[in-house]
Amino acid sequence: QVQLQESGPGVVKPSETLSLICTVSGGSLGSYYWSWIRQSPGKGLEWIGYIYYTGSTQYNPSLKSRVTISVDTSRNQFSLKLSSMTAADTAMYYCARINFSWKGVNWFDPWGQGTLVTVSS
Amino acid sequence: EVVMTQSPATLSVSPGDRATLSCWASQSVNSNLAWYQQKPGQAPKLLIYDASTRATGIPARFSGSGSGTEFTLTISSLQSEDFALYYCQQYNDWPPLTFGGGTKVEIK
Repeated sequence: QVQLQESGPGVVKPSETLSLICTVSGGSLGSYYWSWIRQSPGKGLEWIGYIYYTGSTQYNPSLKSRVTISVDTSRNQFSLKLSSMTAADTAMYYCARINFSWKGVNWFDPWGQGTLVTVSS
Repeated sequence: EVVMTQSPATLSVSPGDRATLSCWASQSVNSNLAWYQQKPGQAPKLLIYDASTRATGIPARFSGSGSGTEFTLTISSLQSEDFALYYCQQYNDWPPLTFGGGTKVEIK
């Protein structure tokens, strides 16, 4: 079955840009939507954005100015860049596949195990 | 933005008892609602989608109901492995896709 694995730095300095990669195994990126979600004690689960395998994206309006999600189908990976990091961005970051139908994007399944990102100088 | 509210924040239940978790939407989300279970140190896991359809491999003791703005997740007879955090998520009106704040089911 499809498995997702996040990778990236555990610590990012304030004002810097976070870069994370999600590697998909057991299936291809094709014909699916892929998403980033984060979880912090203060804000619970927060959807960051998603990308279709063709490269089209949709972002959470609250983060849109700072977020870029891209896809590399040759490596079966998609990535997240979040700029101007602050302490408020400290969270567990998850990647997940999104189910979709004629109604649009739906639920998240499966999820990666997550990677903890701490913003600290 | 559709705001999802879950109640209670913590639910204390004895093993074998029934647990009823609630989720409210700030506007109608029809039946476009999913439930997830999260255990310590793990990612959320899909339990229910379309408000009442169990995901693959989810035991029948988990059931979802509701539509519009009020939803319920029921665990008919709590097993030890069911003590966890539970979240609802709407996918009717986006962006953004939004989650509730979660309900922790703990051992009484």
